[in-house]
Amino acid sequence: GNSVTQMEGPVTLSEEAFLTINCTYTATGYPSLFWYVQYPGEGLQLLLKATKADDKGSNKGFEATYRKETTSFHLEKGSVQVSDSAVYFCALSVFGAAGNKLTFGGGTRVLVKP
Amino acid sequence: EPEVTQTPSHQVTQMGQEVILRCVPISNHLYFYWYRQILGQKVEFLVSFYNNEISEKSEIFDDQFSVERPDGSNFTLKIRSTKLEDSAMYFCASSEAGLAGAEQYFGPGTRLTVT
Repeated sequence: GNSVTQMEGPVTLSEEAFLTINCTYTATGYPSLFWYVQYPGEGLQLLLKATKADDKGSNKGFEATYRKETTSFHLEKGSVQVSDSAVYFCALSVFGAAGNKLTFGGGTRVLVKP
Repeated sequence: EPEVTQTPSHQVTQMGQEVILRCVPISNHLYFYWYRQILGQKVEFLVSFYNNEISEKSEIFDDQFSVERPDGSNFTLKIRSTKLEDSAMYFCASSEAGLAGAEQYFGPGTRLTVT
């Protein structure tokens, strides 16, 4: 089956620090990989995605590279802001009869302090 | 920008009661999904819906659950007889058809509290 494992939080950082959230996956078939973000009190928003090996997704200063050899999709940002405080979810989908059903990791809460 | 909407934002119900959670997906999308997130836990897939029928459901989606697209715009999740453990945030999502890696657009969620 499909599964996603990501580092547990909470991760507490100071503003302008470097952020890494590790994510690894197992999948039957060729997955697409996603990072979703959930700000306090809100729903899930797509942050970035990559659909094939060695693709790099990027958005709002965040980046993640699809590494097939290590089955990983680690999220990075060089200089975080207080507004980046949120829960980050790594997810995968393998397109099939259920469309693009998402399998999520457990989420990593990130708290950025001024 | 088009968005997925959900109503109500918060529903409180007593154990054993029926609830209907409503969603309006993005109008040109063809795949629809329900997920749930129990407080502090991961987001879990419940069901996917395409071409007016369920295309896949998880083991969570037992006989107490049903989905329906009663008209051209709404997509509903019904829980026939709620249990305490159904308390969770329920998210609706929709996506365009036929593309691997197609983005799913999520609604803001309905928080269901079963007492």
